[in-house]
Order: sequence, then structure tokens, then C-alpha cells
Amino acid sequence: ELKVEQNPLFLSMQEGKNYTIYCNYSTTSDRLYWYRQDPGKSLESLFVLLSNGAVKQEGRLMASLDTKARLSTLHITAAVHDLSATYFCAVDLNRDDKIIFGKGTRLHILP
Amino acid sequence: DAGVIQSPRHEVTEMGQEVTLRCKPISGHDYLFWYRQTMMRGLELLIYFNNNVPIDDSGMPEDRFSAKMPNASFSTLKIQPSEPRDSAVYFCASSSFDRERPYEQYFGPGTRLTVT
Repeated sequence: ELKVEQNPLFLSMQEGKNYTIYCNYSTTSDRLYWYRQDPGKSLESLFVLLSNGAVKQEGRLMASLDTKARLSTLHITAAVHDLSATYFCAVDLNRDDKIIFGKGTRLHILP
Repeated sequence: DAGVIQSPRHEVTEMGQEVTLRCKPISGHDYLFWYRQTMMRGLELLIYFNNNVPIDDSGMPEDRFSAKMPNASFSTLKIQPSEPRDSAVYFCASSSFDRERPYEQYFGPGTRLTVT
């Protein structure tokens, strides 16, 4: 059974600081997704990572994938308050197009 | 495209009543997913369809829950009878193959269900 673990589950950080959210998964997969959810809102796709070594960046967010280590990271550079949200990683399960979500990392950025 | 459309956005009902949630996926998408989100249990996949056919309903909590997809542009999730523990936000999502972002799921705005 595929398990997706994120850490930390909650992160409070100061504006201007850098931090990394980790996503570990338990079985082989080469397709990983990152989503963002604002409080009371729906989920919005951020990145789709398709191969070992893939790196995607948008603004202050950068995501990477290491399929050998079964690890993805979401790095936040010089955090700003607008990035406060819950971030989910999700992993494809054996290419049957069902993806398994982690529990999410609730990010709170203090002004 | 308007994105995934869900209705109603909010539903308040009494225990024992039937509840029907509706979803219109993005045109051209051949996968449709129903999720439930609560603080306690997080985001749970209930059921998903491919080309209108249910593929995996192992996440449906019990027989009180049923889902249908009569055509490519419409799906329903029904709870009968409803119970207070069914209170949650229910999301519908759709996806299809795309070379750059394969099977990326697009989520609807959700239906917030409260059962009293």
C-alpha cells in the first residue's frame, strides 16, 4: 500500500526566511504533484514532477523529485505572508491514475 | 472552460435526510474523482470514474453512500440516510492525460455539508 508522508505537518516561520517541506513515499513512483489549499478554499495544482531529478520553480516556490530516495521537496525562498496555506504532495499509484495525498503541511508565515 | 462545477456550495440538512451532491467535470476530461475532507481524517478519496465507469469505490465509507456518472458531463454523490458524522467538505475533481502535466487533477470549489 502506497503511503505518503509529509513533514513537518505544521510550520510557522518568519517572512524573509527560507524553508523546506519534505514528502516521502513508500513505493516506486515517478509522478508526483504538489497542491496548495487556502483556508476555506479548494485545492490548486502547483507542480507536476515526472522524472528523477525534475525541478520546477514558480516565484518563491521550487519543487524537486528524487525517485531513488522516494523523496520530493518544496522549498520556499524568502517567504512572504501570501504563501500562508496548506501544501499537499500527492503521488501516483502504479499509473492507474489514482493519486494518494499526504496529510498536508500547514504553513503560517508571520509578517 | 469554467473549471469543475459543484452544487450546491453549502448544504445543511437534518440527520436521516437524503443528500445529493452534483458535479460537472471539465469538458474533455475522462477521469472524475470524489473526495471528502475533514479536519480529523484529512482528504479521502471516495470513488473515481474513468469514461463514466466506476473504477475504484473502496473509499466509500458504507452503503449509505452511492455515486453515479450517467454521462461524461455529470456525476452525483448521494448519501441516504445522512448522519452527523458525514459533515465534511466534499470535493469533485477531474483529470485527463496531458503530455506536460499528465493526470493533473483539477478540483471544484467543494460542497460544505452539515448534518444536524
